[in-house]
Amino acid sequence: GAVVSQHPSRVICKSGTSVKIECRSLDFQATTMFWYRQFPKQSLMLMATSNEGSKATYEQGVEKDKFLINHASLTLSTLTVTSAHPEDSSFYICSAASQGLRTGELFFGEGSRLTVL
Amino acid sequence: DAKTTQPPSMDCAEGRAANLPCNHSTISGNEYVYWYRQIHSQGPQYIIHGLKNNETNEMASLIITEDRKSSTLILPHATLRDTAVYYCIVDYKLSFGAGTTVTVRA
Repeated sequence: GAVVSQHPSRVICKSGTSVKIECRSLDFQATTMFWYRQFPKQSLMLMATSNEGSKATYEQGVEKDKFLINHASLTLSTLTVTSAHPEDSSFYICSAASQGLRTGELFFGEGSRLTVL
Repeated sequence: DAKTTQPPSMDCAEGRAANLPCNHSTISGNEYVYWYRQIHSQGPQYIIHGLKNNETNEMASLIITEDRKSSTLILPHATLRDTAVYYCIVDYKLSFGAGTTVTVRA
């Protein structure tokens, strides 16, 4: 199946710093990518929908100025957690669609575990 | 809010079939049913999806009721590596519910 890669897989940072997570579709073009956050023992929560060449659409309660999303190409979307704090520590996961949203399956990255000290 | 309901957990014996139910009574006519699974600390893995007809692939079978209000994922011969959280999803944003934690026991 199609491959989606995230980098880094793990990152530890100090409180107040910014962290960038990359999501790449390796063998297909993804016009839409999704970013999720997952806290321990909880399900995935959709944060935002990233569309290539346009602004991301954020879910209710997600601060767009804190979680900056850039989808500059058909194979790369980035999530930047700005001024990270310990409560931002979580497992961040991206996914990308290889076909039309309603008929194609989504492929997920391996996830990026962020720990803010 | 998730548009599906699943049992929170299920145990299955290795080598036996695992039948995972999912209720999606508010599904609309053009929404597909998707199944994913997540092994601990990994990204979700696509399993199968369908609209109306039953589907089968190398991983599993998907049985969708005629009224489309529920479906069942069948893992024909469960192995220990199938232990994971299984998610049934019906909207294009893939809003995840709590899923079913499946534990395959030897």
